[in-house]
Amino acid sequence: RKEVEQDPGPFNVPEGATVAFNCTYSNSASQSFFWYRQDCRKEPKLLMSVYSSGNEDGRFTAQLNRASQYISLLIRDSKLSDSATYLCVVSHNDMRFGAGTRLTVKP
Amino acid sequence: NAGVTQTPKFQVLKTGQSMTLQCAQDMNHEYMSWYRQDPGMGLRLIHYSVGAGITDQGEVPNGYNVSRSTTEDFPLRLLSAAPSQTSVYFCASSAAGTGKEKLFFGSGTQLSVL
Repeated sequence: RKEVEQDPGPFNVPEGATVAFNCTYSNSASQSFFWYRQDCRKEPKLLMSVYSSGNEDGRFTAQLNRASQYISLLIRDSKLSDSATYLCVVSHNDMRFGAGTRLTVKP
Repeated sequence: NAGVTQTPKFQVLKTGQSMTLQCAQDMNHEYMSWYRQDPGMGLRLIHYSVGAGITDQGEVPNGYNVSRSTTEDFPLRLLSAAPSQTSVYFCASSAAGTGKEKLFFGSGTQLSVL
């Protein structure tokens, strides 16, 4: 079993839609959690950290459920520019990446 | 403000050849690391360093060597390239010594081993 698992998608949604991604992790001792964004053939870039109480950054909301060992990312009012692959990252002794969920937002 | 610089961007090797992927950062970050990214696998940690003179193995270290003689540079060496090492390689650095905070990535190296 992979340490970090994500639904690979692809998710194809129209502009303005709300879309949610989930991620599960296996190491209950994991301490830090992140969502990264990766555009095609580019390097990953930090989208947001995920805090225990949940956190929001504009149209993006991240949630953490330690008991069930999953993390979620909600994107509201999707834009064309949100099209990318979203990587779930979990940290214990080092950073472990999920394989990513691909999102395409269509006009 | 260069950030993390990786060279080369593309490389083709024959099986058995050796080469070094270069990585340099100008942010005075203590933590540096190398990942490889394969389709459906996500990024996997090869080696990392928490400071000059200190290196450690990650998840998939076999076939790779690293050294950290300065804070700025963290080269990755392939000793005898194999087709299984065909991948996209990313170097990353972090201000936090543990690497558990924001990672800054280089633009990647696409390596093909024939």
